[in-house]
Amino acid sequence: GESVGLHLPTLSVQEGDNSIINCAYSNSASDYFIWYKQESGKGPQFIIDIRSNMDKRQGQRVTVLLNKTVKHLSLQIAATQPGDSAVYFCAEKGGSGGSNYKLTFGKGTLLTVNP
Amino acid sequence: NAGVTQTPKFRVLKTGQSMTLLCAQDMNHEYMYWYRQDPGMGLRLIHYSVGEGTTAKGEVPDGYNVSRLKKQNFLLGLESAAPSQTSVYFCASSYGLGGSGANVLTFGAGSRLTVL
Repeated sequence: GESVGLHLPTLSVQEGDNSIINCAYSNSASDYFIWYKQESGKGPQFIIDIRSNMDKRQGQRVTVLLNKTVKHLSLQIAATQPGDSAVYFCAEKGGSGGSNYKLTFGKGTLLTVNP
Repeated sequence: NAGVTQTPKFRVLKTGQSMTLLCAQDMNHEYMYWYRQDPGMGLRLIHYSVGEGTTAKGEVPDGYNVSRLKKQNFLLGLESAAPSQTSVYFCASSYGLGGSGANVLTFGAGSRLTVL
């Protein structure tokens, strides 16, 4: 079946730098792409989503970019803080073979912020 | 407002034993989900429910059963546990109002299950 994957399994940045976490997807029919953050010992938390007809969406300190031409999704975190250290998952929803209420998650990227 | 509560948080089983993981949400969400998380595998959907009395299979349903007798509860059962079911299990819920409503899942803290 189709899947969501990640380019880099780990990312280490200095506090205050910007972070970019990448994700490649293969299901071009998905209607939403979503980012979740999972801190150690906790369940994942929703960060931001983007509809497939958009190419950019901004939140508080985060920006998600969607490039449908190359099937690439990225999460940018501005002025990364120690509290941003976590595993970040991209997920997709809907589309061919999917549904409007099931999310398919990628394998995750571990972000470590060095003080 | 507790959100999503999972019990138990930890459990050790012997091969062949049965058990039930309980999930309760107090947000009046329509949709509920059970995921398992294994190292390097991300989150995989086991079963889900789009409303009271309804359940459906996800990606990895074999060896598990579920029930949604009440809107606020979603139970995950293992009838005969196997070592391959050693994992961290997460319950989640969402409004499921269509559009982006189902994108925002509220997860529980997880239940770590070890099958010897």
